[in-house]
Amino acid sequence: DIVLTQSPALAVSLGQRATISCRASQSVSISRYNLMHWYQQKPGQQPKLLIYRASNLASGIPARFSGSGSGTDFTLTINPVQADDIATYYCQQSRESPDTFGAGTKLELK
Amino acid sequence: EVKLEESGGGLVQPGMSVKLSCTTSGFTFSDYWMEWVRQAPGKGLEWVAEIRNKANNYATYYGKSVKGRFTISRDDSKSIVYLQMNSIRSEDTGIYYCTLSWELWGQGVMVTVSS
Repeated sequence: DIVLTQSPALAVSLGQRATISCRASQSVSISRYNLMHWYQQKPGQQPKLLIYRASNLASGIPARFSGSGSGTDFTLTINPVQADDIATYYCQQSRESPDTFGAGTKLELK
Repeated sequence: EVKLEESGGGLVQPGMSVKLSCTTSGFTFSDYWMEWVRQAPGKGLEWVAEIRNKANNYATYYGKSVKGRFTISRDDSKSIVYLQMNSIRSEDTGIYYCTLSWELWGQGVMVTVSS
């Protein structure tokens, strides 16, 4: 299975940039498609799709969220961070079955 | 408006069975692949099962930890996807979410496995 590694937590100040990384144990890219996706989950809520295929903003997601990367290294950027963005962020790959998730990065206020 | 609502969870004894349902509305259910994902208390997300649409022969796929014990199915006439969970174990405890091709998720249903 493809293992996705995320840092457990990231502390950030409101109004600043947050950069959350996800590293895959093998490439999750096929041709021009980077099969990495990002979700936000707040306590007591279901996950919400933020970014699909590495850099595509999901419907209704604010433009302060962006994604980048290819191969094995991917980044979710939130700029500027707002109070409503405090949550846990998960990466997920769909390059190879089974789809796997990172362990999540908890975004905290500094 | 697209809606997904899970039901059927609760307290289940080890070794027993339970069937979860995900009732949907607001979209053409028969066109989409559906997934079940679970989350153990305080833990991360784990993909459980997938069922594809008729065009893909209703193919099903399972995570290793549930293969042979869980069965995903769908009723396109009712817009419902099911998860039959047999030989249930304590490690199956968690919130079970259904998702519409990963784009939209239900609120989840709690399954607690305990004697």
